[in-house]
Amino acid sequence: AQKVTQAQTEISVVEKEDVTLDCVYETRDTTYYLFWYKQPPSGELVFLIRRNSFDEQNEISGRYSWNFQKSTSSFNFTITASQVVDSAVYFCALKGSGGGADGLTFGKGTHLIIQP
Amino acid sequence: EPEVTQTPSHQVTQMGQEVILRCVPISNHLYFYWYRQILGQKVEFLVSFYNNEISEKSEIFDDQFSVERPDGSNFTLKIRSTKLEDSAMYFCASSERGQGALGNSPLHFGNGTRLTVT
Repeated sequence: AQKVTQAQTEISVVEKEDVTLDCVYETRDTTYYLFWYKQPPSGELVFLIRRNSFDEQNEISGRYSWNFQKSTSSFNFTITASQVVDSAVYFCALKGSGGGADGLTFGKGTHLIIQP
Repeated sequence: EPEVTQTPSHQVTQMGQEVILRCVPISNHLYFYWYRQILGQKVEFLVSFYNNEISEKSEIFDDQFSVERPDGSNFTLKIRSTKLEDSAMYFCASSERGQGALGNSPLHFGNGTRLTVT
């Protein structure tokens, strides 16, 4: 069975602070994919990143960075110099290499509130 | 812990047929959603539903699609005259509150229904 745990239900920080969203996953697949999605107040899910399990190189995209560590089964997401527009719910998700439902297993989401 | 349940987990249908995807949202949730994920692509928002009517829908959700809450527990997505490109994973989700200016409420997703149109 696959599982994604986002233990932080809600995080509130003041604008310009750095914030890290945690994601821990479980899977028996040797090949899998990890995702982060952003859900702004408008309701849609906005794709942020996808990582393959065989590529542990960390990635930076502007103010966003992701720390993938296979040893701890974590795929954490950091926003530096946070802005009010970053306020949203963020979902981590996992996709195995096949079998079962073969869909994305999402975490329950972290509600990030950036206060001005 | 309460969860959103979707049935069936996998449905195969022939092109042109109608399908109904079923969802049972979490009982105290008031907002319901369908998302779609075409294989290998991102999850796409289809529609949100509140107070027995559609709140918001994407451009994907055209006249081919409809949603209904036929009773107090089920939330269904009907796809009329299915096309090959409707093949996707369809995710149902629910939330306590809406996604508007009053603040986000995390979505609770079901495990999805894989629709295969042949």
